[in-house]
Amino acid sequence: GENVEQHPSTLSVQEGDSAVIKCTYSDSASNYFPWYKQELGKGPQLIIDIRSNVGEKKDQRIAVTLNKTAKHFSLHITETQPEDSAVYFCAASPWSQGNLIFGKGTKLSVKP
Amino acid sequence: DVKVTQSSRYLVKRTGEKVFLECVQDMDHENMFWYRQDPGLGLRLIYFSYDVKMKEKGDIPEGYSVSREKKERFSLILESASTNQTSMYLCASSGAGGHKYFGPGTRLTVT
Repeated sequence: GENVEQHPSTLSVQEGDSAVIKCTYSDSASNYFPWYKQELGKGPQLIIDIRSNVGEKKDQRIAVTLNKTAKHFSLHITETQPEDSAVYFCAASPWSQGNLIFGKGTKLSVKP
Repeated sequence: DVKVTQSSRYLVKRTGEKVFLECVQDMDHENMFWYRQDPGLGLRLIYFSYDVKMKEKGDIPEGYSVSREKKERFSLILESASTNQTSMYLCASSGAGGHKYFGPGTRLTVT
């Protein structure tokens, strides 16, 4: 079955710097890769997703890149702000409606 | 605004008790999921359902069962709660587009 590895487990950056979180997956059949943000006391919320027919997707300060050959995808947050502090999860699935296999999460801290 | 609600935010139960966790979504989604979240382990799928009265086992179904009698409601049942089921339980739903919406979670403590 699918296995998703996520690194780093914790990340601390200064406000305004960029943050990068990386994930690798094992199942070449996976073609849907969402990223979730979980704030304290809340459920995860989808922030961006990418499908395998696209190499990069951007939404304001957030971007995701996908390298299907190497089986890895990354989340890039530019101009970080304190409200970006949260736990971020990557996930992979062979189809968007099916079960997601999650990475173990990255706790991002943005210091003002 | 889309919404997934869970019956309790915090729950404390005794070992051996039968526990019901309820999840309701208002988006007319076909698909509903139950995950548990533990530190260092991420989110793991317990059960999911693609339709009313339909259920499929996820990665860690042991000790749990589910019920989906109506499209909007998906219940997770702990037949006989044990201390190793102390965890955060998250419900999610998704429609045709695949975007999963999560509820706020229920933090269950079994003593």
